[in-house]
Amino acid sequence: DQQVKQNSPSLSVQEGRISILNCDYTNSMFDYFLWYKKYPAEGPTFLISISSIKDKNEDGRFTVFLNKSAKHLSLHIVPSQPGDSAVYFCAASLIFQGAQKLVFGQGTRLTINP
Amino acid sequence: EADIYQTPRYLVIGTGKKITLECSQTMGHDKMYWYQQDPGMELHLIHYSYGVNSTEKGDLSSESTVSRIRTEHFPLTLESARPSHTSQYLCASSESRTAFEALHFGNGTRLTVT
Repeated sequence: DQQVKQNSPSLSVQEGRISILNCDYTNSMFDYFLWYKKYPAEGPTFLISISSIKDKNEDGRFTVFLNKSAKHLSLHIVPSQPGDSAVYFCAASLIFQGAQKLVFGQGTRLTINP
Repeated sequence: EADIYQTPRYLVIGTGKKITLECSQTMGHDKMYWYQQDPGMELHLIHYSYGVNSTEKGDLSSESTVSRIRTEHFPLTLESARPSHTSQYLCASSESRTAFEALHFGNGTRLTVT
C-alpha cells in the first residue's frame, strides 16, 4: 500500500523550458509535503516544502502546488537548467505516535537537455 | 545546516560477515534516522531514534540493529550479511521531534553482499 506515488519514473525537458514533476498521495492526514533532489552517489537534499493548509509555495525557480481535493502535488521548475538534472523525490509528513514521519515516493529522474 | 557523515561510502562484503555502517552528525540533533533505498524505489524508514538510549523500528522490517549511545552517533549493524541486504543505506537527522522539519541526509553507504 504505497501512500505516496510518483507515476513518472523519468522526464526529459529542454533547457530553459518548464519542468513539471507530479506526485499523488492517499493519506489525508499528511500535514506537510516536501521535495528532495538527489544527485548520483549523494544523499537527498531538501528543496522546498508546502503545508497542507496552503496551495502554493514559491522559492526562486521552484514552485510547489498542492491540490488537496485531488490529493496531488506538483513541482514546477522554471526555467530549467542543466544542473537541475537529478532524481526528485516527493515526500509527505505526518505526526505518528508523537513523532514526525516521512513517506517517500519512488522518485522521478529529470534530465535537462541543452 | 546539518553535517552528516556516513562511512564507508561503498562496501562490498561476503555473505555471513558482520558489518557496521557508521553515521555521525555534528549539529546536536536529537532525532536520527536510517533509510534503505533500492534503485528506482522509494526510501523506506528502517530505524529511528528520539535521542540517547532511544531506538525504534521503522516501517520496513529490517534484520539490522542500531544503537544510540551518544547524540552524534547512530551506527547500524548487520550481524550476518546476506545478498538480500544489498542496498543503499541513508542516514538522516533533524532537530525537532514533533514540529515539521526537513530531514538532513548523509551521502549514504552503498552495500553489496556477495
